Amino acid sequence: GENVEQHPSTLSVQEGDSAVIKCTYSDSASNYFPWYKQELGKGPQLIIDIRSNVGEKKDQRIAVTLNKTAKHFSLHITETQPEDSAVYFCAAAVPYQKVTFGTGTKLQVIP
Amino acid sequence: GAVVSQHPSWVICKSGTSVKIECRSLDFQATTMFWYRQFPKQSLMLMATSNEGSKATYEQGVEKDKFLINHASLTLSTLTVTSAHPEDSSFYICSARGIGTDLSSYNSPLHFGNGTRLTVT
Repeated sequence: GENVEQHPSTLSVQEGDSAVIKCTYSDSASNYFPWYKQELGKGPQLIIDIRSNVGEKKDQRIAVTLNKTAKHFSLHITETQPEDSAVYFCAAAVPYQKVTFGTGTKLQVIP
Repeated sequence: GAVVSQHPSWVICKSGTSVKIECRSLDFQATTMFWYRQFPKQSLMLMATSNEGSKATYEQGVEKDKFLINHASLTLSTLTVTSAHPEDSSFYICSARGIGTDLSSYNSPLHFGNGTRLTVT
């Protein structure tokens, strides 16, 4: 089955700096890669997703890149703000199979 | 759009009792709902997949008689933890995938509820 690795497990950045979270996946059949933000005591919230026919997608301060050859995808947050502090999960999905989540990255934005 | 409501947000029960958790899709019809369990500082562990009108599919190692899932309508799925024990204490989260949210791919976005914190004493 699909295996998703996520790094780093924790990340501290100064407010205003950029944060990058990286994930790798194992199954070349995966074609959908969502990213979720989970605040303490709440459920995950979808923040951005990308499909395998696209190499990059951007939504304001958030961008995701996908390298299908290397089976890597990354989340980039620019101009970080304290409210960006949360746990972020990447995920990969093979058609008609369950979504596989990464192990999570705890992001702390220091004011 | 795509709001999933989960209730209750937290519950405390005594060992041996049963607890029901509801998951509702408020503004879309959910053909498929998923139930996850999350331990502190860990990722989401899929417990089961429920499709409206059919039996749930449980992941390996998850006891179907202990975690009863019902998906009787396109907007409601329930998870009942039967004969709960302290080791069942956890954060349970549901998610839903809607009809036609992405007709080009089976893997349309999952929308999550806010979770239920279950504590069994």
